[in-house]
Amino acid sequence: GEDVEQSLFLSVREGDSSVINCTYTDSSSTYLYWYKQEPGAGLQLLTYIFSNMDMKQDQRLTVLLNKKDKHLSLRIADTQTGDSAIYFCAERNYGQNFVFGPGTRLSVLP
Amino acid sequence: KAGVTQTPRYLIKTRGQQVTLSCSPISGHRSVSWYQQTPGQGLQFLFEYFSETQRNKGNFPGRFSGRQFSNSRSEMNVSTLELGDSALYLCASSLAGTGGNNEQFFGPGTRLTVL
Repeated sequence: GEDVEQSLFLSVREGDSSVINCTYTDSSSTYLYWYKQEPGAGLQLLTYIFSNMDMKQDQRLTVLLNKKDKHLSLRIADTQTGDSAIYFCAERNYGQNFVFGPGTRLSVLP
Repeated sequence: KAGVTQTPRYLIKTRGQQVTLSCSPISGHRSVSWYQQTPGQGLQFLFEYFSETQRNKGNFPGRFSGRQFSNSRSEMNVSTLELGDSALYLCASSLAGTGGNNEQFFGPGTRLTVL
């Protein structure tokens, strides 16, 4: 079945860039997403990328997609303490439901 | 526009009881999906409702059921609760559910604790 993998933890210093990585197995994935979850809250959509794109930039966020390797990354520039959260990678295909990764807990150290 | 609302936010039940959770989607959204989030299993898809019909179902036992009303509000029911059902239950709404980039907007979740 479909599977999405992420590393579980990442620590960075405030002001540095964070890169969160994700791999997926479904080669027919059409859309790939990044969600953020803060403590006690639901998931907030950060950004998404369509599978025919290889990069998308949105302010401090840059998404890179390597479709050949089924690898997705999220780069957060100038990481702030408010960016501390769990980041979920998710994929879906037309007519299918979302499949989420286990989440990467990002800790931003002052 | 109001976001996705879920009630109650917290719930404590004992084994063997049943529970009903409610989700009100964003106005105009017709699809509601339910997820179970636990530390061990992560986010797992339960089911999706669209126009009062269950359109997709995850791999959960029949104790987990749901329904959707004509106003798109959805309820999820868990019968004969087990300790392992303790989790954060998240509801997500979207405009149509499939096709295109159909963004899902999540509610804050209902934290269910089974004692």
